[in-house]
Amino acid sequence: EAGVTQSPTHLIKTRGQQATLRCSPISGHTSVYWYQQALGLGLQFLLWYDEGEERNRGNFPPRFSGRQFPNYSSELNVNALELEDSALYLCASSRTGGRGYEQYFGPGTRLTVT
Amino acid sequence: QKEVEQNSGPLSVPEGAIASLNCTYSDRGSQSFFWYRQYSGKSPELIMSIYSNGDKEDGRFTAQLNKASQYVSLLIRDSQPSDSATYLCAVAHNAGNNRKLIWGLGTSLAVNP
Repeated sequence: EAGVTQSPTHLIKTRGQQATLRCSPISGHTSVYWYQQALGLGLQFLLWYDEGEERNRGNFPPRFSGRQFPNYSSELNVNALELEDSALYLCASSRTGGRGYEQYFGPGTRLTVT
Repeated sequence: QKEVEQNSGPLSVPEGAIASLNCTYSDRGSQSFFWYRQYSGKSPELIMSIYSNGDKEDGRFTAQLNKASQYVSLLIRDSQPSDSATYLCAVAHNAGNNRKLIWGLGTSLAVNP
C-alpha cells in the first residue's frame, strides 16, 4: 500500500510570493490534515479536509488556505509569504468514521522563505 | 485550553534498557491516544494507538493508558540506538467537527550503545 505522498520536497520562495503544496492520501483515506512544524517547535494544526470540505482549521491567518479534490488529494496555498512561514509542512491522511483518527504522515515539504 | 504535556528530555538510556516515556492530558473527554516517533528532519511515524484503559503491547513497545489519572505512557523494551528519536504523544476528543489531534511537544530519547 502506497503511503502519503507530498510534493515538492523542497520549495524556496521570496517574501510576498505564493506557495502551493500538494498531498495525495493513502488509498481509501478520505481525510487530509495539514500541519506546520517550524524548526525546533511542535506540530501546529493547520487544516482538516474531509469529503472535499474544510472541516476544521487551526489558529492561522486566512492567507493559509487549501482545498481537497474529488480524488481526495489536497493542496495547501500560502499567500503573501512571510519569513516566519519557513517550516516543514506535513500532510497526513486518515480514514473517516469509527476511530479513524490514526493519521499517517507524508514526508513533508520543506518551505524556505527568503 | 486542551493540552498535552510531555517531558522534553533528553531521556538517556543505555542500550538494552527499558525506556519509559510519559504523557499527561487535560481534557477528560479524550478518547483516542497515539504515540508517534519522529527522527530528526523526518515526518512522524505512528507507533501505537490505544483507546481503552490498560496495556497494549506490540513487539518491543507497550502503551499504557489510565484515563482516571489522565496519563498515557510508552515503554520501549530492549532499547536500541535506532530508537533514538523524538516521541510525540497525541490525543483526540472524538467529537464531531472538533476532530483534530492535540499534540505534545515530544520527548527526545537517546539510546547509548
